[in-house]
Amino acid sequence: DAGVIQSPRHEVTEMGQEVTLRCKPISGHNSLFWYRQTMMRGLELLIYFNNNVPIDDSGMPEDRFSAKMPNASFSTLKIQPSEPRDSAVYFCASSRTAYEQYFGPGTRLTVT
Amino acid sequence: AQRVTQPEKLLSVFKGAPVELKCNYSYSGSPELFWYVQYSRQRLQLLLRHISRESIKGFTADLNKGETSFHLKKPFAQEEDSAMYYCALMNTGFQKLVFGTGTRLLVSP
Repeated sequence: DAGVIQSPRHEVTEMGQEVTLRCKPISGHNSLFWYRQTMMRGLELLIYFNNNVPIDDSGMPEDRFSAKMPNASFSTLKIQPSEPRDSAVYFCASSRTAYEQYFGPGTRLTVT
Repeated sequence: AQRVTQPEKLLSVFKGAPVELKCNYSYSGSPELFWYVQYSRQRLQLLLRHISRESIKGFTADLNKGETSFHLKKPFAQEEDSAMYYCALMNTGFQKLVFGTGTRLLVSP
């Protein structure tokens, strides 16, 4: 089992460009979480889905951020337009139980 | 509001020394607390949960409701314990985890 798969692993883009991060959860897991990790703020929950339905998006910083989960095996996190302060590592995690989450390797985003 | 505080960004100890990574929380309900760990070049993973009362890799953590703390302890640190450690609180209402900002543990030979 490859675990949670995220792509791309690294993304460098210019300010103002659209960025799309992708996640494939572990098969059979019904919850999916998007996190942002920075030195200053640690690990912040952006949004999570249960059975493909967004349950809590209170952590999404601004309207520039959006997330979708069109089916049980795929989710995207989009930033449009991107800004330098969005530079961070973005993690996707999936789970069957709320507390034991399985994390992907992360996408390191750099916005110049 | 629920909150998890890890006051130390970095904790540096020598091999064989005792380790205590601090975690304090605020939560109005009955808390469920966890420690997650991220080793170098590995994924973030669950280390232990307070309900299980287990010792994992020599680490233990006791929930102290009076002090609202859930410190992670190990009597003799090993170099392979060097990692980033996150304390997390379960928000049972929304079934989601609230993480602290993390503590990097560095164990030197």
